[in-house]
Amino acid sequence: GQNIDQPTEMTATEGAIVQINCTYQTSGFNGLFWYQQHAGEAPTFLSYNVLDGLEEKGRFSSFLSRSKGYSYLLLKELQMKDSASYLCAVRDSNYQLIWGAGTKLIIKP
Amino acid sequence: DAMVIQNPRYQVTQFGKPVTLSCSQTLNHNVMYWYQQKSSQAPKLLFHYYDKDFNNEADTPDNFQSRRPNTSFCFLDIRSPGLGDAAMYLCATSRDATGGPDTQYFGPGTRLTVL
Repeated sequence: GQNIDQPTEMTATEGAIVQINCTYQTSGFNGLFWYQQHAGEAPTFLSYNVLDGLEEKGRFSSFLSRSKGYSYLLLKELQMKDSASYLCAVRDSNYQLIWGAGTKLIIKP
Repeated sequence: DAMVIQNPRYQVTQFGKPVTLSCSQTLNHNVMYWYQQKSSQAPKLLFHYYDKDFNNEADTPDNFQSRRPNTSFCFLDIRSPGLGDAAMYLCATSRDATGGPDTQYFGPGTRLTVL
């Protein structure tokens, strides 16, 4: 079967750096997405990786290793508004998005 | 601003009473998706339309139906809601289901409560 694994919950301190990991086992690979979802709201797109390496976008960076079936989302200079769930999703060979359950990130002052 | 709109934001229905959720988009995207998401779980794809072509997920219950009368609108009909159908229903769109990033853009969701 297809599977996306992420930690259920993480806690970090305002101003710090946090790395959220995602491992996947899917039928084929056509890109990996990270979405942010605040409680009770819809997911919003953060980043897309299809080739190995690091994609940087402001305070957020996303890394991909296809050979290891692994990605991480790196959040720098954490702000209270970054408290949210972060969902990893992989597009498989049928161009279907396989979603992880999300990592709930709690930011403490 | 181009966007995905869902109505209503909150819907309360009674057990077994049909309900319709609506989604509209001004992005002119070809693909529209309906997801069900329960608390702390991954979004679960119910179906998607590539233009007018309807694609049903194998494990989507028959209780769920969908209509896409034109490019801009898509509806989710729940014929006989059960307590287990209480969830957030998310509509999303993307330009094209194949190739490139084809990022999905989500509406704000409809929170369904079944009494």
